[in-house]
Amino acid sequence: DTAVSQTPKYLVTQMGNDKSIKCEQNLGHDTMYWYKQDSKKFLKIMFSYNNKELIINETVPNRFSPKSPDKAHLNLHINSLELGDSAVYFCASSHSAGGTGELFFGEGSRLTVL
Amino acid sequence: AQSVTQPDIHITVSEGASLELRCNYSYGATPYLFWYVQSPGQGLQLLLKYFSGDTLVQGIKGFEAEFKRSQSSFNLRKPSVHWSDAAEYFCAVGARGGGADGLTFGKGTHLIIQP
Repeated sequence: DTAVSQTPKYLVTQMGNDKSIKCEQNLGHDTMYWYKQDSKKFLKIMFSYNNKELIINETVPNRFSPKSPDKAHLNLHINSLELGDSAVYFCASSHSAGGTGELFFGEGSRLTVL
Repeated sequence: AQSVTQPDIHITVSEGASLELRCNYSYGATPYLFWYVQSPGQGLQLLLKYFSGDTLVQGIKGFEAEFKRSQSSFNLRKPSVHWSDAAEYFCAVGARGGGADGLTFGKGTHLIIQP
């Protein structure tokens, strides 16, 4: 019944490794997002996808590669992890055209790079 | 570009006291405005939102917020806080009509409740 679900909730890994986070929404929304929350709780958008098409690609290292197989799923793959990648990554979804802009968030995936 | 300022990083309030969290926004027109709450280890939950009409909006958990165009503000209020209100609060602004641009968030205010 969870509206926006992301897995895993916790990742602990070594520098240089590759990891993926998966996100699924069952709200029928057409737009999905990845936000990064740093240690100071600041939330910054990374990517947005509308109907599987990349819309927003903020200044993010190209080690981060999102992929949207369909409009209900948005995954995030991170290559060659660095210490600075440690953060909580939130997936979110919304209606786009004519929507209110309200975002529905997953519970977050806490990534710790050692 | 739109932006949001939450001037208070931390606020401490006694249980039962009233609360006001400040939010100022920068946007070219009347924006969509939101307040979200994040409890420790949790995702963000929507408290309330403003799109148009009555400038005083009611939300969940007894919260309300008032949109003041002249001050570019959207302050969050609660008449009497409970210990369970301790959390991080985020104000956010979005473009009218939705779209896929997402929301721009303030840096958050950490609310501490004293017994």
